[in-house]
Amino acid sequence: AAGVIQSPRHLIKEKRETATLKCYPIPRHDTVYWYQQGPGQDPQFLISFYEKMQSDKGSIPDRFSAQQFSDYHSELNMSSLELGDSALYFCASSLGYYTGELFFGEGSRLTVL
Amino acid sequence: AQKVTQAQTEISVVEKEDVTLDCVYETRDTTYYLFWYKQPPSGELVFLIRRNSFDEQNEISGRYSWNFQKSTSSFNFTITASQVVDSAVYFCALKEVDSGAGSYQLTFGKGTKLSVIP
Repeated sequence: AAGVIQSPRHLIKEKRETATLKCYPIPRHDTVYWYQQGPGQDPQFLISFYEKMQSDKGSIPDRFSAQQFSDYHSELNMSSLELGDSALYFCASSLGYYTGELFFGEGSRLTVL
Repeated sequence: AQKVTQAQTEISVVEKEDVTLDCVYETRDTTYYLFWYKQPPSGELVFLIRRNSFDEQNEISGRYSWNFQKSTSSFNFTITASQVVDSAVYFCALKEVDSGAGSYQLTFGKGTKLSVIP
């Protein structure tokens, strides 16, 4: 069965550069969630989208932006990268946001040097 | 606001011992979901179980079992006859679905790092 696809799996950037992470949800899923997990930390909710509209916002820095496209894939754009942005970024998808059935991708590991 | 507490930061057990990971949650919602995830050193989040707030039946899956008690707002996870491959960080998580505030994200506990020693 198709799962949530995240790309790239690994990314290395310099400080002040820009990075874009992509998330392809499970087919027919209309809701996407982004999470950030720093080293030794629990995953922290960043932002979510339902039917291409932002549905909820967490601790997403102003330097970050995200959107969900017409094909339901989502992109997380991170600018002016800082060392503290080094983390695992997870995307999850679900059919609607009331459901408990959400599925995580394998994560994208961003390293900022 | 929803909250998940995993009081045990790290646990070490000898192989074949049983171990219980504790999870206590807070929510005002009557409808919610509870989850357990395993995160091995490779980093991916491995889904273990989902429980909705109306289903308090305990569940057993092989060496894994879960004890959900709404009266104490707890959702504990027991591994029987632990194995080295069980070594990982385990996260308990909560998702509210009738908060009315439009907040339906998954909230994680801080995680419990389990080390199973051969």
